[in-house]
Amino acid sequence: DAKTTQPPSMDCAEGRAANLPCNHSTISGNEYVYWYRQIHSQGPQYIIHGLKNNETNEMASLIITEDRKSSTLILPHATLRDTAVYYCIVNLNFGNEKLTFGTGTRLTIIP
Amino acid sequence: DAGVIQSPRHEVTEMGQEVTLRCKPISGHNSLFWYRQTMMRGLELLIYFNNNVPIDDSGMPEDRFSAKMPNASFSTLKIQPSEPRDSAVYFCASSRTETQYFGPGTRLLVL
Repeated sequence: DAKTTQPPSMDCAEGRAANLPCNHSTISGNEYVYWYRQIHSQGPQYIIHGLKNNETNEMASLIITEDRKSSTLILPHATLRDTAVYYCIVNLNFGNEKLTFGTGTRLTIIP
Repeated sequence: DAGVIQSPRHEVTEMGQEVTLRCKPISGHNSLFWYRQTMMRGLELLIYFNNNVPIDDSGMPEDRFSAKMPNASFSTLKIQPSEPRDSAVYFCASSRTETQYFGPGTRLLVL
């Protein structure tokens, strides 16, 4: 069972920051928060992950609350190519751990 | 790097026929995953291998499904006999660390 809750859909204007929330109230101390996205007709793509500190890479930023029960993925300047389904996944940080995908958030970037 | 390679990209077959899906993971990756995606069930893990050894096949729907990984650079997922409800997109992913890299998927239609 997926351990996360995400809104089913969101819209964001092109050029604005897209903030995607995720609730993971049952996360355990050694579990990480991962974000993947799936652009239409493609395989899922890794975005970012974190344990408790905020993380940033070339694609996005990840803000995790102090109690670790929720997080927000931030796409700082959304483009039309960011239109996709975004999945928030809680997982142990091992390469051979399976990913349990929920239903994700369908993000639509509006021109 | 060519990424994860899957073949065929599309497959149309008739009920009762054998279907073989193929995957070549990224060189150097030691974990390989097979996922299936349908509208009804979303993305679900079927089986994964670590160092060519099957670790968890609890997601394999039934005995009609089998997967092999004879060496580090090749894996197959076989369905025999195929049924219309097997119609889905099948993704292969590989990893060396905590990040999984997905292939483009095989779209299977069983008539």
